[in-house]
Amino acid sequence: NAGVTQTPKFRVLKTGQSMTLLCAQDMNHEYMYWYRQDPGMGLRLIHYSVGEGTTAKGEVPDGYNVSRLKKQNFLLGLESAAPSQTSVYFCASSYPPPRDRSYGYTFGSGTRLTVV
Amino acid sequence: QQQVKQSPQSLIVQKGGISIINCAYENTAFDYFPWYQQFPGKGPALLIAIRPDVSEKKEGRFTISFNKSAKQFSLHIMDSQPGDSATYFCAASPRANRDDKIIFGKGTRLHILP
Repeated sequence: NAGVTQTPKFRVLKTGQSMTLLCAQDMNHEYMYWYRQDPGMGLRLIHYSVGEGTTAKGEVPDGYNVSRLKKQNFLLGLESAAPSQTSVYFCASSYPPPRDRSYGYTFGSGTRLTVV
Repeated sequence: QQQVKQSPQSLIVQKGGISIINCAYENTAFDYFPWYQQFPGKGPALLIAIRPDVSEKKEGRFTISFNKSAKQFSLHIMDSQPGDSATYFCAASPRANRDDKIIFGKGTRLHILP
């Protein structure tokens, strides 16, 4: 089925470890996003990309890096994980505006990350 | 202000009742207001959306009411069902250009009692 696929689905990290979350979409969307979801905080944008080879900071970018080497993939990296990064991470993709208004954002099912 | 304020944080409604979730914004440049629905263990999905040139939009049991002068909008779920139990996010988008992204409210966790 077409959509957004996130890997892994669950991960436990020790403080200071690094990891990469992978997001892949097969809808030929130009825009991709990484959000984190925490209780009572809603969805907060970490980084986003408006096209292959481009990335930009969102609302809460500190401690994260991203790369978009291929149009269909958007990687989120944690170089030195901290307990404050314990969260559920969602990747999303969309058409560029204004077409994104007709179709909305397509979200993946999330990655639940725990940093101990 | 690039904020969207959503209330209540959680809501419990009896089956068959009406669920109402409210949102307010300050930035008059917002011109597109979607609602997203998220089931446990899943990502949010677009439910319904409205533009400020209309005061109401209805899709099945879901209705958005929009009050431009008050800068408020709300989601009404008629005849609420247990299957509607989910987290709902209101959102707003400033304008349709390259750098403007959707801004989400903090979410409302809705539970429909069977």
